[in-house]
Amino acid sequence: DTGVSQDPRHKITKRGQNVTFRCDPISEHNRLYWYRQTLGQGPEFLTYFQNEAQLEKSRLLSDRFSAERPKGSFSTLEIQRTEQGDSAMYLCASSRVLDSSTDTQYFGPGTRLTVL
Amino acid sequence: AQSVTQLGSHVSVSEGALVLLRCNYSSSVPPYLFWYVQYPNQGLQLLLKYTSAATLVKGINGFEAEFKKSETSFHLTKPSAHMSDAAEYFCAVSDHEKLTFGTGTRLTIIP
Repeated sequence: DTGVSQDPRHKITKRGQNVTFRCDPISEHNRLYWYRQTLGQGPEFLTYFQNEAQLEKSRLLSDRFSAERPKGSFSTLEIQRTEQGDSAMYLCASSRVLDSSTDTQYFGPGTRLTVL
Repeated sequence: AQSVTQLGSHVSVSEGALVLLRCNYSSSVPPYLFWYVQYPNQGLQLLLKYTSAATLVKGINGFEAEFKKSETSFHLTKPSAHMSDAAEYFCAVSDHEKLTFGTGTRLTIIP
C-alpha cells in the first residue's frame, strides 16, 4: 500500500487569501480525518468523513473552513480569508473501519501553512 | 469526553539507558490507546496500540507500553535508548471516531 499523501507540503500565503489543501488516503480506507497541529502542541481534531459523508466537525472548524470528500476518495480542505492564527501543520489521516475492527489512523506528512 | 495527559514535555536519557514516557488518560468509554512518533517536519508514525486485548503491547523499534486500568495509565518504555529514538512522542486516546492527543514529549538522547 502507498501511504497517505498530502499536497502541497508547504504553503506560504498572505493574510486574506484563500488556500486549498489536498489529501489522498490509503486506497480502500473508508474514513478520512483532518487535524491541525500548532507549534509545541499535539494534533487537534478538525473533521472526519466516512466515505463521502462528513460525520463530525470540531468547533475549531470555523465557517471559514470547509472540507469535502466528493467521491469518497481524496479530500480537500479549504480555508477562506486566511488569518495569521491559521498558521499550522494540517495533517490528514485515514483508516479502514469495518464493523467493530480497530480504527488505527495512518497519517500523511502534513501541509505546513504559513500566513504572513 | 476523553483526554490525555503526558507528564514531562522534555525527557533526556543517555544512549543505552531506559526510556520511560508517561501517559495518563481519561475516557468515558473503554479506551483504545495509541503512541505515535513524529520526526521533524514529518507526519505521525504509529508505534503501538492497545485495543482491549493484552495489556502489555509491543510495538516497533523495541518500544512497548502497558495498559493499567486502575492507574488510567499507558506509559511507553524502551529498555535501551538509541540515538535514532530522538523525536517527539504523542499519546492518544480514541473514542472509535476521532483521536485526542496529549501535548507530546520531546525525547533527547545524550551520546
